[in-house]
Amino acid sequence: AQTVTQSQPEMSVQEAETVTLSCTYDTSESDYYLFWYKQPPSRQMILVIRQEAYKQQNATENRFSVNFQKAAKSFSLKISDSQLGDAAMYFCAYRSEGGADGLTFGKGTHLIIQP
Amino acid sequence: DVKVTQSSRYLVKRTGEKVFLECVQDMDHENMFWYRQDPGLGLRLIYFSYDVKMKEKGDIPEGYSVSREKKERFSLILESASTNQTSMYLCASSELAGTGVGTQYFGPGTRLLVL
Repeated sequence: AQTVTQSQPEMSVQEAETVTLSCTYDTSESDYYLFWYKQPPSRQMILVIRQEAYKQQNATENRFSVNFQKAAKSFSLKISDSQLGDAAMYFCAYRSEGGADGLTFGKGTHLIIQP
Repeated sequence: DVKVTQSSRYLVKRTGEKVFLECVQDMDHENMFWYRQDPGLGLRLIYFSYDVKMKEKGDIPEGYSVSREKKERFSLILESASTNQTSMYLCASSELAGTGVGTQYFGPGTRLLVL
């Protein structure tokens, strides 16, 4: 079974600064997908960014980028120019290739943005 | 945009009651999922379905059942609610594996309190 570990229960960053959220995972599979989801307070969970394991290039979405290290089984999220609206719980998630199986989630990191 | 809706945002039930949580998606997705979210535990998969009338157990199916009579609707049933089922329940849907990354799209969640 796969496991996902987010070692930082809470992180704090000043507005406009850069912050990196950590995620490691354990799997014996070679093909899989990784995701970062954001859950603002009392609001819907939304996808931030995703990465296919077969792609060496790190995914980017505007101010959000990942550092995907397949050999190290690491998938960190970097948020540049942090904004107050980035405050949320962030979840790292894993999905096996080709299956209808659900996502395996980490326990989440609570990101606080200091004005 | 994908829209996943859940029948209730907040629900209060008594121990022993039968509880139905409804989820509807409008993107013709084959896969649908029910997760439970608890503080410090992240999201855990209860059940999923990859087709009408098909269902598979997730990581924590005990005390729950599901129904998928139509493609767009996936119901979670608590046969006899217990206090340890007090939680946030999230529904998600995704396209069929093999047709894309299989990103899951989430509903707003139902916060269930069992007294």
